[in-house]
Amino acid sequence: EIVMTQSPATLSVSPGERATLSCRASQSVSSNLAWYQQKPGQAPRLLIYGASTRATGIPARFSGSGSGTEFTLTISSLQSEDFAVYYCQQYNNWPWWTFGQGTKVEIK
Amino acid sequence: QLQLQESGPGLVKPSETLSLTCTVSGGSISSSSYYWGWIRQPPGKGLEWIGSIYYSGSTYYNPSLKSRVTISVDTSKNQFSLKLSSVTAADTAVYYCARHRATVIDYWGQGTLVTVSS
Repeated sequence: EIVMTQSPATLSVSPGERATLSCRASQSVSSNLAWYQQKPGQAPRLLIYGASTRATGIPARFSGSGSGTEFTLTISSLQSEDFAVYYCQQYNNWPWWTFGQGTKVEIK
Repeated sequence: QLQLQESGPGLVKPSETLSLTCTVSGGSISSSSYYWGWIRQPPGKGLEWIGSIYYSGSTYYNPSLKSRVTISVDTSKNQFSLKLSSVTAADTAVYYCARHRATVIDYWGQGTLVTVSS
């Protein structure tokens, strides 16, 4: 099983600031990585796939980078609606998907 | 617009079988190239993929749950279902149904909380 480790567990950021979230895979997943955003009481929403491609309707302030085992999600200027939990997911060896444990982005 | 809606009991007794159904509207469950899956999230915790069924009927299960999981599809009703046997308190979670390819999940249901308790 590929283990996905996200850091930090919680990120405190002021509105308008940049947030940088990390996701590390226990073995290479190439660029087969996605990021999801989850707000309280809601289902996750796909943000990024292929490590760096924004899903339909996702604002340009969200960007993804990385390949292999190290990945980053950057939110360039945090808006109030961006405070949420973010999960990474590897799909390199379907059907053995795995998710990271999540990073909570909270208001500083 | 595709919509998915989970339904089923919100309370299940320990050792019994959890049964949920996902009704798909706004699209056909028989559409090629799509999988229909179940993902769960224990309260305050992360996401765990349970298993999926392909439009052709092939099933795929998380190895950690495989011995207890059955996913089936009813194309006549545009529904797919989850059965999880021998449940314990550790199976208490919000259960989501979803549509996906062999990559990412693009549509999710709203989720339903299932509590395992006597």
